[in-house]
Amino acid sequence: EPEVTQTPSHQVTQMGQEVILRCVPISNHLYFYWYRQILGQKVEFLVSFYNNEISEKSEIFDDQFSVERPDGSNFTLKIRSTKLEDSAMYFCASGRWGGGGDTQYFGPGTRLTVL
Amino acid sequence: GQSLEQPSEVTAVEGAIVQINCTYQTSGFYGLSWYQQHDGGAPTFLSYNGLDGLEETGRFSSFLSRSDSYGYLLLQELQMKDSASYFCAVRPNMDSNYQLIWGAGTKLIIKP
Repeated sequence: EPEVTQTPSHQVTQMGQEVILRCVPISNHLYFYWYRQILGQKVEFLVSFYNNEISEKSEIFDDQFSVERPDGSNFTLKIRSTKLEDSAMYFCASGRWGGGGDTQYFGPGTRLTVL
Repeated sequence: GQSLEQPSEVTAVEGAIVQINCTYQTSGFYGLSWYQQHDGGAPTFLSYNGLDGLEETGRFSSFLSRSDSYGYLLLQELQMKDSASYFCAVRPNMDSNYQLIWGAGTKLIIKP
């Protein structure tokens, strides 16, 4: 069964550095998402992406964040000038058609630790 | 603001039935989803309700009452592997049909 993959599984960085988290969505899916989950807390929506542009973003997704689909398979989340509070698990998800009943399939996540 | 309320923890016995409730207060509503997350794992989709009523998928069922802004997930014949956190999530409205607003999760503890 196709699945969403994410790399790296764990990223450790120094405060102020830039990180790029990578995702390969399921190949025939058209809608892509990034979520984050601070340890022990709920999942929080960051951004959705369709047709090579951002569809929607939350208040968390400020100028520090950007997303890109650099080729036909990868979907990346860039975090500039990381802060301690950016430490969290970041999940990529993809969906086939983005409608109300669409299932979002989640990748295994990247654990980001900012020191 | 937008909020979803669910119990933080529920304990049940193996083989029993458990119900996890979710009430929501959002700017709009376009469907309630349930996800399961094992410790250290990714959320996995369990069920979706777009209309009032009960949806059944094997041992899991989900119910929605839009007039009450309320839904629940029912797990039957509990197995030890069902020990996980369960999240309800809402699509706020049709114009915003991409993002999911999540509850804080219910940790289900199953005892032998």
